[in-house]
Formats: sequence, structure tokens, C-alpha cells
Amino acid sequence: GQQVMQIPQYQHVQEGEDFTTYCNSSTTLSNIQWYKQRPGGHPVFLIQLVKSGEVKKQKRLTFQFGEAKKNSSLHITATQTTDVGTYFCAGVRSGNKLVFGAGTILRVKS
Amino acid sequence: DGGITQSPKYLFRKEGQNVTLSCEQNLNHDAMYWYRQDPGQGLRLIYYSQIVNDFQKGDIAEGYSVSREKKESFPLTVTSAQKNPTAFYLCASSIGRTATYEQYFGPGTRLTVT
Repeated sequence: GQQVMQIPQYQHVQEGEDFTTYCNSSTTLSNIQWYKQRPGGHPVFLIQLVKSGEVKKQKRLTFQFGEAKKNSSLHITATQTTDVGTYFCAGVRSGNKLVFGAGTILRVKS
Repeated sequence: DGGITQSPKYLFRKEGQNVTLSCEQNLNHDAMYWYRQDPGQGLRLIYYSQIVNDFQKGDIAEGYSVSREKKESFPLTVTSAQKNPTAFYLCASSIGRTATYEQYFGPGTRLTVT
């Protein structure tokens, strides 16, 4: 079945460094959503991308959707300790289901 | 104060027992979902419901059952047939009936079966 692969699995950065997580699908996605889960918490919706080549920004976070709608990325500029958590991408596939990537765990050293 | 509640936060059961996890929402959302989260893995869909009195199997429905008798409630029963039930269970809801709407998650129930 359709899978969504996410890399890296884990990243440990110094505060102030940038961070990027990548999401790749074996098939074309109609939409892609991004969620953040703080340690011990539950996933919280960040954003949804719909259009081919779309780029959206939320303060220090930049989200991109690939031209072929098979890949996406989340880039955080100048990480802060409040950015720690697991970032998940989730692609919308046929049958009205979201399929989640395995997530990227971000740790920030202050 | 609107949102999704799940209870209890932690649940312990003996192997061979059925257990029901509660999920309630007062957001007036149509769709509700149950996911399972294991360490190092993403969320895997167990069941979802787009409307009252109707629900569909997700990717890992074996050993689980659900009901949707009220719009606000979507309880999940983990049966003794589920071979590896220890996990973190998350309930979610969305205002629309398709997966193109953002999902709101509850705080989760951590189930341990020994």
C-alpha cells in the first residue's frame, strides 16, 4: 500500500542551528499535513499543503510541497528549545485516510 | 471549553481481558478517528467514523471494535484477540468527513497489558 517515508528519524541540533525534515511518498498525494507532538503530548496540526510547488511560512517554519506532489519538507530556521518534539508528515490518500510518516524527533541543545 | 477528552490517561489490564477506551468530543465534529502509536513509528489508523452509526476499518483493525451511537462519542474496545495491545492510543476528530481537514487529537490513553 501507499507509504510515506520520513527522514531523518532523529536529529540533535545546537540551539540556533537550522533543522529540516523530509517526507517522501511512493504515489502522488492530494494533500499533505504536518503535525507536531511535544514529548509526552499529543499531535497538534501545524499546516496543510495542497498545491504543487506550494510554499508556506509560519514564523521560523517553512513548509514545501514538491512539484510532483510526492514529497514535502519542513525547515526550521534558528531552532529554539521550544521547538523540541516529534514532527510528523501525513499524506492524504484514496479512501479518505491520512497516512503518517514515522516522524522526526528533534532535540535542541541550549 | 471545547475539545476532545480521552479517559483514562493510563490503563493497566491483564492479558485476556477486553478493555474499552473512551473518547468524547464537544466540537460538533462529524468525523472521528482512532490511531495507535508505538515507539519509533508513526500513527496507524485503527478505525474511523464519518457519521453517526457508521464506521470503517483502518489499516490495523484486527482485534479492535468501535461504535458510534452518538456524534460526540467514539469508544474503542481492545479485545483479547489483539496480539500486542500495549501502546499509546490517540483519538482524533475533524469537522469535515474527509481526511483533507485538520485533525484535532485528544491527550491519549497509554494502555499496558501484562
